[in-house]
Amino acid sequence: RKEVEQDPGPFNVPEGATVAFNCTYSNSASQSFFWYRQDCRKEPKLLMSVYSSGNEDGRFTAQLNRASQYISLLIRDSKLSDSATYLCVVPGGGSQGNLIFGKGTKLSVKP
Amino acid sequence: GAVVSQHPSWVICKSGTSVKIECRSLDFQATTMFWYRQFPKQSLMLMATSNEGSKATYEQGVEKDKFLINHASLTLSTLTVTSAHPEDSSFYICSARSPPTNTEAFFGQGTRLTVV
Repeated sequence: RKEVEQDPGPFNVPEGATVAFNCTYSNSASQSFFWYRQDCRKEPKLLMSVYSSGNEDGRFTAQLNRASQYISLLIRDSKLSDSATYLCVVPGGGSQGNLIFGKGTKLSVKP
Repeated sequence: GAVVSQHPSWVICKSGTSVKIECRSLDFQATTMFWYRQFPKQSLMLMATSNEGSKATYEQGVEKDKFLINHASLTLSTLTVTSAHPEDSSFYICSARSPPTNTEAFFGQGTRLTVV
């Protein structure tokens, strides 16, 4: 299994749709997980942190399944502005705190 | 929140020249900074870990003599691409995690390097 694996998409959805992304990770010792959003030619920005079973912030819900080693991100009532690439990020396991990035899932929300 | 500033945001250079990219933590001290590279439609790939006051740790396949890293202070790390070639054209981005280390990573704005 790759360290962090995501479905690259693209996911093309209409405004108002609910969309879910999954991410699997290989390091069973990982304790914290992150979803970042990256717009084209921009730096990644933190969307959500996940430390326990899940996290919810408005239209965004992240869930963690440690037994199966996957994290999901659910976006409800999607907006045009949600169009971006969503990166699943897992600590690298080293002592210095590097992060391992998935290749990202591209989301395109259409009017 | 913590801020990481990266400069320049874009640079075009001639093949064979060197380019220096700066990464600064503006409101926290970063003993460790990370340098990533991202090719089009690819994920961010860790190039090296920059350690204040000591040698950087390079990932496998990254030439340490080509990508010189200096982390002379707790708020500044620099990446110098030496003798740049067109295949070095990429999006270079730095990040740092403010203590404690399980908090989010903060990214610089990234540097788009084009070698012609």
